[in-house]
Amino acid sequence: DTGVSQNPRHKITKRGQNVTFRCDPISEHNRLYWYRQTLGQGPEFLTYFQNEAQLEKSRLLSDRFSAERPKGSFSTLEIQRTEQGDSAMYLCASTPEKGATEAFFGQGTRLTVV
Amino acid sequence: AQTVTQSQPEMSVQEAETVTLSCTYDTSESNYYLFWYKQPPSRQMILVIRQEAYKQQNATENRFSVNFQKAAKSFSLKISDSQLGDTAMYFCAFKALGTGGFKTIFGAGTRLFVKA
Repeated sequence: DTGVSQNPRHKITKRGQNVTFRCDPISEHNRLYWYRQTLGQGPEFLTYFQNEAQLEKSRLLSDRFSAERPKGSFSTLEIQRTEQGDSAMYLCASTPEKGATEAFFGQGTRLTVV
Repeated sequence: AQTVTQSQPEMSVQEAETVTLSCTYDTSESNYYLFWYKQPPSRQMILVIRQEAYKQQNATENRFSVNFQKAAKSFSLKISDSQLGDTAMYFCAFKALGTGGFKTIFGAGTRLFVKA
C-alpha cells in the first residue's frame, strides 16, 4: 500500500457542471476524511466516515456537495452545479479507528471551475 | 470552537541557518494534540512533529523541535540546520482528543523558502 490515493489530480470544469472525485485510503484505515483547501489557506474539514457511515458534516458542505463511502473502502465526493467559488484543492486523509496519532493525506484533487 | 493562528504568511532562511515559525491557538479543551504538517509544492502533506498537550516536555524530531507554552497557547516550530528540501508550506494544526475522529483544525500556513 503506497498511501492515500486521490483521482483525478486535476480537474477543470465549466460552471454548472457536476464533478466527482475519488479517494482510496490506506487499506487498513477505517476512517476517511475530506478537506477543502483554498489558495493561501489551510485545509478546512468537510466530512468524515467511519467505515461506510458518515459521522460528521461541516456547515461548509452545502446541499450541492455529497460524499459517499458505500463499501467502507474508497470514497467519492461529488459537487453538483459547480460554482467558481468551488475552485480549490480537495484533500482526503485516513486514519485507523483506534490508536491514531496522525492523519495520512493524499496529494489532493485540484478543481478549477471556469 | 477551536482556532489556530499563524501570523507569518511567508518566511525565508539561509541554508544551514535556524528559523522559527510561530503558531497560537485557542481552545477550552484540556486534552489535545498539536501538530506541524509540511506541504511541499505539488506533494502531499506530511507530519513533521506532534505534541501531546499533557506532556510538558517539548517534542523533538531530528532537526525539528517545538516550544510548547500551554498557558500561553503557543506552539512554535524551530528548524535547525535548514535544508533546501525544507522549502514548503508549514501548517500548525490542532486536534481535540476524544471527539470527531481525527478531525483537525489547521492554521492558514507559513510559506518557508530556504535559500542556497
